[in-house]
Amino acid sequence: DAGVTQSPTHLIKTRGQHVTLRCSPISGHKSVSWYQQVLGQGPQFIFQYYEKEERGRGNFPDRFSARQFPNYSSELNVNALLLGDSALYLCASSLVSASRDEQFFGPGTRLTVL
Amino acid sequence: DQQVKQNSPSLSVQEGRISILNCDYTNSMFDYFLWYKKYPAEGPTFLISISSIKDKNEDGRFTVFLNKSAKHLSLHIVPSQPGDSAVYFCAASVFQAAGNKLTFGGGTRVLVKP
Repeated sequence: DAGVTQSPTHLIKTRGQHVTLRCSPISGHKSVSWYQQVLGQGPQFIFQYYEKEERGRGNFPDRFSARQFPNYSSELNVNALLLGDSALYLCASSLVSASRDEQFFGPGTRLTVL
Repeated sequence: DQQVKQNSPSLSVQEGRISILNCDYTNSMFDYFLWYKKYPAEGPTFLISISSIKDKNEDGRFTVFLNKSAKHLSLHIVPSQPGDSAVYFCAASVFQAAGNKLTFGGGTRVLVKP
């Protein structure tokens, strides 16, 4: 069974550009969460989507947005990139979005902003 | 404000000995705690969890202890194996009707020496 997949693996952008990161959850999983992991720190929650609806939002500026599609895949969009957006972006999927529902993480997309 | 802290950024242990990883939290609303393990170029993988109604949970070589009064949890790995060398993250969540947002600590890098 395929795990959570993310694309692209690596990405280099310049300040001011925008970026779209993609995530495909494990088959049968209906919830997708996004986390940002800055070097040397733990992952930080950005968004959670369940059945195409936003179920949670972390403390990130409006430059960050996301959506979930009917097939439960998801996109994370970041506009007006800043140097500080350089990080590993992790996607996690779970069956539903209930508390204590185990989350399975993808390998991440490494974003470098120059 | 970091709600989950792992004060030891790294730990070195001899193969066969015990590894003890510590985690402190400040939010008394947290009622579910997890440990994740992360290898380079991979996403975090779930190791073990504990509910706030328990003070110990064991799974093979991994045991998690929770001290609610001290807002402290620890992960014991016995015996440690070279394959355990990885970064370990402590995470916590609050029971809620919708959403399973995780709050992570900064991680502890474990090196198990043969």
